[in-house]
Amino acid sequence: KQEVTQIPAALSVPEGENLVLNCSFTDSAIYNLQWFRQDPGKGLTSLLLIQSSQREQTSGRLNASLDKSSGRSTLYIAASQPGDSATYLCALNSNSGYALNFGKGTSLLVTP
Amino acid sequence: DTEVTQTPKHLVMGMTNKKSLKCEQHMGHRAMYWYKQKAKKPPELMFVYSYEKLSINESVPSRFSPECPNSSLLNLHLHALQPEDSALYLCASSQEGPLGEAFFGQGTRLTVV
Repeated sequence: KQEVTQIPAALSVPEGENLVLNCSFTDSAIYNLQWFRQDPGKGLTSLLLIQSSQREQTSGRLNASLDKSSGRSTLYIAASQPGDSATYLCALNSNSGYALNFGKGTSLLVTP
Repeated sequence: DTEVTQTPKHLVMGMTNKKSLKCEQHMGHRAMYWYKQKAKKPPELMFVYSYEKLSINESVPSRFSPECPNSSLLNLHLHALQPEDSALYLCASSQEGPLGEAFFGQGTRLTVV
């Protein structure tokens, strides 16, 4: 059974810092990996999708990488802003292609 | 348009009530999902519809009844719920198959009293 772990569980940084969120998984037979952002009490916003054949994806200040062989993905956020404060979830599509396996998330607080 | 729309945003219901949650997308996605999320936990899959047919049911109690009237709409009918069913209910959609990006709605915050 695929297990997805996100470290750290919580992170607090001052505004302007670059930061890295980590996601690890136990089964490298994945189809894709998706990073989401969730604000308190709200739905999930898709940030980046990486297919299994890709190594990284970029969108604005966000860069996500994927290393299937080591079972790891990272989400890099450049020049963090208070508006980046949210919970970040990684999720894998790895079996039937229909059910996402989620990590427990990293709660990020960016202080002014 | 990458929007998944859920209504209502908030719902309070008694344990004897019957209510429905609604979800709509117009991205041409043929896979639609219901997830349940408790506070400070990741979403848990409840149901998957593929081409309007139920393809995955994660052993959810029968007091939750999904319905997919057409490729754009997904409903979740609720009956005789328990207080522990209070949660954020999320709808999502994706392209058919394992490579599709999933898009989520803003959720319905359900409180059972």
